Amino acid sequence: AQSVTQPDIHITVSEGASLELRCNYSYGATPYLFWYVQSPGQGLQLLLKYFSGDTLVQGIKGFEAEFKRSQSSFNLRKPSVHWSDAAEYFCAVGSLAAGNKLTFGGGTRVLVKP
Amino acid sequence: DGGITQSPKYLFRKEGQNVTLSCEQNLNHDAMYWYRQDPGQGLRLIYYSQIVNDFQKGDIAEGYSVSREKKESFPLTVTSAQKNPTAFYLCASSISGTRGNQPQHFGDGTRLSIL
Repeated sequence: AQSVTQPDIHITVSEGASLELRCNYSYGATPYLFWYVQSPGQGLQLLLKYFSGDTLVQGIKGFEAEFKRSQSSFNLRKPSVHWSDAAEYFCAVGSLAAGNKLTFGGGTRVLVKP
Repeated sequence: DGGITQSPKYLFRKEGQNVTLSCEQNLNHDAMYWYRQDPGQGLRLIYYSQIVNDFQKGDIAEGYSVSREKKESFPLTVTSAQKNPTAFYLCASSISGTRGNQPQHFGDGTRLSIL
């Protein structure tokens, strides 16, 4: 069965500093991977996705993620964090099986210090 | 603007009562999904529907029921059999329910609490 692990429950970063969120997945074949962001009391917004090809993918809001098959990882990065990036971030893996189901990690909450 | 509309935003349930959460999409998507979100547990799939008039149980379907009579609508009923219904419920849709490379688009959620 597929699974996603986000090892960091909380991360605090200073505004202007770089950010990296970790995501490890378990999946038998080539995975479809996604990063979503959620502001408090809101739904999830897609930041970026990886299906195939270039292992470094660019997303919205200045985020990027790198797929590393050898490490089963899909870490999310941003070079310079803004206060508006404070939110919860979810990594997810998509299934080729019927239903296009997503399996989500437990999320990482990012706090931004002024 | 195309999107997913969930209503109500807040809902309160009395003991022994069934409640229905609404989810409507105007994206012309085939597939729709219901997730439950609890603090620190990420999202867990309750039910999903790949196409109209068809739906499948997810990982935590007990105590919930759904219908998919129209392409744009996928209501979720939280029945009295669900003993711990307090959670944030998210509805999502995707273009296709048969290809794994389609992202899901989410509504803004309904927060359900017990009175």
